[in-house]
Amino acid sequence: GNSVTQMEGPVTLSEEAFLTINCTYTATGYPSLFWYVQYPGEGLQLLLKATKADDKGSNKGFEATYRKETTSFHLEKGSVQVSDSAVYFCALSERSGGYQKVTFGTGTKLQVIP
Amino acid sequence: GAVVSQHPSRVICKSGTSVKIECRSLDFQATTMFWYRQFPKQSLMLMATSNEGSKATYEQGVEKDKFLINHASLTLSTLTVTSAHPEDSSFYICSARDSGHYGYTFGSGTRLTVV
Repeated sequence: GNSVTQMEGPVTLSEEAFLTINCTYTATGYPSLFWYVQYPGEGLQLLLKATKADDKGSNKGFEATYRKETTSFHLEKGSVQVSDSAVYFCALSERSGGYQKVTFGTGTKLQVIP
Repeated sequence: GAVVSQHPSRVICKSGTSVKIECRSLDFQATTMFWYRQFPKQSLMLMATSNEGSKATYEQGVEKDKFLINHASLTLSTLTVTSAHPEDSSFYICSARDSGHYGYTFGSGTRLTVV
């Protein structure tokens, strides 16, 4: 079956530091890849997505490139802010049984300190 | 954009009672909605897929008689936790996919505490 593996947290960074959260996946076909963010006490919000190999998703300064050869979708941001503190989930979506099924990673908690 | 409203955001109930959680798509029709459960410091686990007008599809290991799902209209799906026990305490999140939006819109989640 499909699976998503992302680096364990928590990750603690100083403001303006560079962020990388690793994500690798296994899938039987050609999935779409996503990063979701969950702020404390809230539901998930779509951060960015990529639907095919070599696509780059970007939003709010975050970027991730769909690397089929390494089955990876690492999340990066050049300069993090305190407001970026949240839990980040890598996910893939693939058609299964007539509908799109989403598989999530375990989440990586990011804490940015001033 | 697509918005999914989930209610209540928090609920505390006594052991043995039932709790209903609602998930509404506010500005789009959702023929399919998904219910997830999130344990502390863990990822979201898909519990079931809710299909409008038909029975829900449950993931392996999820008790369908305990977690009743009803998707009576194109904008509303409900999850009822029956005869709740403390081990059912968790964060439950629904999501829906708008046919014109490649991705999933999530509700804000419901924190269930069974005492």
